[in-house]
Amino acid sequence: RKEVEQDPGPFNVPEGATVAFNCTYSNSASQSFFWYRQDCRKEPKLLMSVYSSGNEDGRFTAQLNRASQYISLLIRDSKLSDSATYLCVVKRGNNDMRFGAGTRLTVKP
Amino acid sequence: ETGVTQSPTHLIKTRGQQVTLRCSSQSGHNTVSWYQQALGQGPQFIFQYYREEENGRGNFPPRFSGLQFPNYSSELNVNALELDDSALYLCASGEAGAQETQYFGPGTRLLVL
Repeated sequence: RKEVEQDPGPFNVPEGATVAFNCTYSNSASQSFFWYRQDCRKEPKLLMSVYSSGNEDGRFTAQLNRASQYISLLIRDSKLSDSATYLCVVKRGNNDMRFGAGTRLTVKP
Repeated sequence: ETGVTQSPTHLIKTRGQQVTLRCSSQSGHNTVSWYQQALGQGPQFIFQYYREEENGRGNFPPRFSGLQFPNYSSELNVNALELDDSALYLCASGEAGAQETQYFGPGTRLLVL
């Protein structure tokens, strides 16, 4: 079993839709959590950190459930520019970051 | 842009050869990590350097080695290249600390023939 599991998708949604991505992790010692986005043939870029209380950044909302070892990302009012692969990341205390395989999102007109 | 640079951008090698990839960290960052990303997969952690010493290693064999220099630039060396080493190699810099994230360079695409 992989340490970080994501639904690979692809998710194909129309503009304006709301889409949710899920992620589970197996290492209960994980300390920090992030969502990155990666455009085709580009490097991953930090989208947002994920905090235990949940956090929001514009159209993006991230949730963390430590008891269930579950992370989610909600995107509201999808834009064409949201099309990318979304990577779930968990970090251990020694700065070792573990990535999921990514969930591919395509937003269509 | 993150300020993390990598060279070269692309590289072609043959099986059995050795390769050195380079990374220049973002100013103010004191850790550098290397990742291997195969097609369709997420980045896999190779190792991290902090204060010029290895500070954590993923599930990669010893033929993957690295160096960090006093100016926080870094090298990834891979000996005895195998076909499966073909991938995007990403360097990420950050600050030591559990809550800190990392910022990636554009990567080096390595093709082993």
